[in-house]
Amino acid sequence: KAGVTQTPRYLIKTRGQQVTLSCSPISGHRSVSWYQQTPGQGLQFLFEYFSETQRNKGNFPGRFSGRQFSNSRSEMNVSTLELGDSALYLCASSWGLGGVVAKNIQYFGAGTRLSVL
Amino acid sequence: DQQVKQNSPSLSVQEGRISILNCDYTNSMFDYFLWYKKYPAEGPTFLISISSIKDKNEDGRFTVFLNKSAKHLSLHIVPSQPGDSAVYFCAASAFKGGSEKLVFGKGTKLTVNP
Repeated sequence: KAGVTQTPRYLIKTRGQQVTLSCSPISGHRSVSWYQQTPGQGLQFLFEYFSETQRNKGNFPGRFSGRQFSNSRSEMNVSTLELGDSALYLCASSWGLGGVVAKNIQYFGAGTRLSVL
Repeated sequence: DQQVKQNSPSLSVQEGRISILNCDYTNSMFDYFLWYKKYPAEGPTFLISISSIKDKNEDGRFTVFLNKSAKHLSLHIVPSQPGDSAVYFCAASAFKGGSEKLVFGKGTKLTVNP
């Protein structure tokens, strides 16, 4: 079974530009979550999509947005890039139906390394 | 406000010995805890998890212990192997409104020396 696929793996942009990252979840998974990893802050939750709807959102500015398609694939967009947006962006997929007993595990892709110059 | 804390940025142990990685949390609503392992240039890989209704979960060489009263969990690796060298992240979640988000600690870099 194929894992979570993120494209591209590496990206270099300049300040003010915008960028779109893509994530293909594990087949059958309906939830996709996005995280930002930086050396100083660890993994920070961006947002979660389930069945094309944003279900949860972290504390990031409105420049960060996302969407999910009917096939569960997801994209994340960052507009007006800033130097501080340089990070590893990770996507994780899961069944999406959690609970105290039947928890679902999030599986991560290898990430997209974004460098903003 | 950091809800999940891994106070040791790094840990070094000898091959064959026990590795103990610690994690503290502040939010009493967390009801599920996970450990992920991350190698450079790869995404985090799920290792082991524990529900708040348990105090111990074991999977091969890996055991996670949960002390709810102290809001503390730990990951024990016995025996440690050089291939275990990686960054280990503790994560917690609270099922709320039909959705979950993982809150991660900043990670502990484990080095297992041959």
